[in-house]
Amino acid sequence: SAVISQKPSRDICQRGTSLTIQCQVDSQVTMMFWYRQQPGQSLTLIATANQGSEATYESGFVIDKFPISRPNLTFSTLTVSNMSPEDSSIYLCSVTRTGGVGYTFGSGTRLTVV
Amino acid sequence: QQQVKQSPQSLIVQKGGISIINCAYENTAFDYFPWYQQFPGKGPALLIAIRPDVSEKKEGRFTISFNKSAKQFSLHIMDSQPGDSATYFCAASLKGNTPLVFGKGTRLSVIA
Repeated sequence: SAVISQKPSRDICQRGTSLTIQCQVDSQVTMMFWYRQQPGQSLTLIATANQGSEATYESGFVIDKFPISRPNLTFSTLTVSNMSPEDSSIYLCSVTRTGGVGYTFGSGTRLTVV
Repeated sequence: QQQVKQSPQSLIVQKGGISIINCAYENTAFDYFPWYQQFPGKGPALLIAIRPDVSEKKEGRFTISFNKSAKQFSLHIMDSQPGDSATYFCAASLKGNTPLVFGKGTRLSVIA
């Protein structure tokens, strides 16, 4: 299965600022997804990162708040913009490939907004 | 609307016992049903998965039982060990590499 490097692993940010999270995969993948996991909760899909086009966002998530890029088949970024304490969560990148084995997750970015 | 309902929320099992976690789904178009294990500070790791054309799949101490007519699937952990203490998530997806939909998770504690 694919190996994902997600950076940073954790950060503490001031409210009103932005943080960009990177997801680098060791091989080309078909699909890349971004999830949010609030403390003690399950995973909620933020968006599907589409290569070469705008991401597809789930209800409750908007591009202005969570801009996503996917310039190629191995890399994506998620930006959390104009942060507030409610954005404190773990953000996870997930990938899958056609014919591959399941969906792989990165180790996550633990974000604390103060 | 929660598409995958998971129970129980938490589970305490004696070492050597059987841990059973259940999930029910609503969308009959779901085509892939994985279970993930997550330790604190780590991302979810795929444990075992099944497709709806199979009623049971076993990998080591882990077994998925799948009941298509009841729209339910469960994870059985045989001979549970303290190292199995983690949060377990069931999930489901449609065909074609669509994103996973997760249950709310079960926190398993295996005590000696």
